Amino acid sequence: GAGVSQSPSNKVTEKGKDVELRCDPISGHTALYWYRQSLGQGLEFLIYFQGNSAPDKSGLPSDRFSAERTGGSVSTLTIQRTQQEDSAVYLCASSSIRGGLLSTDTQYFGPGTRLTVL
Amino acid sequence: QKEVEQNSGPLSVPEGAIASLNCTYSDRGSQSFFWYRQYSGKSPELIMFIYSNGDKEDGRFTAQLNKASQYVSLLIRDSQPSDSATYLCATYFMDTGRRALTFGSGTRLQVQP
Repeated sequence: GAGVSQSPSNKVTEKGKDVELRCDPISGHTALYWYRQSLGQGLEFLIYFQGNSAPDKSGLPSDRFSAERTGGSVSTLTIQRTQQEDSAVYLCASSSIRGGLLSTDTQYFGPGTRLTVL
Repeated sequence: QKEVEQNSGPLSVPEGAIASLNCTYSDRGSQSFFWYRQYSGKSPELIMFIYSNGDKEDGRFTAQLNKASQYVSLLIRDSQPSDSATYLCATYFMDTGRRALTFGSGTRLQVQP
């Protein structure tokens, strides 16, 4: 079946502009994650959605970052007033929580959105 | 600070050799471990996961877990140039309550033809 999809694949914007990044998870996956990967760096957790539960926003680096997930499926990550340090690849992942056990929650990643802030 | 540590490499092995990639983690409560492969400019791709002590084999890949030593490794047998990539180790830190994987910084593997 179809994997996780993200759009756009590339986004170039000017400092101070707002951007929206979209993620379509694998059909039937209830959990959705956003990560960020800066050049040459590891993956940094941003936010997590699970079903109708309140999202875990503990990884968002500032209040310029927000995300929502509509209808338990598609998610949008919004960055307001972008800064050059926001330049990174933004990765979305989804998973199906099996039996509620976190320890076996296997995440599958989308292709990512490369954001460049000039 | 909960950490997953990997040698950044590069680890260079000749084609056909066994590549051994290692990972240590700081939380004894961690229960499952994931290995992802990431080609340059691409997103991470799941190779395998392991949550029991011992070995788990899948084709040319073997994951090894030693919870007492807080150590997990990935062996790649008969390494091919197409295996050249960065390999990421990840786990959940159970006591943080955060349902997100914590990743190591990755080990870059180069398989020389």
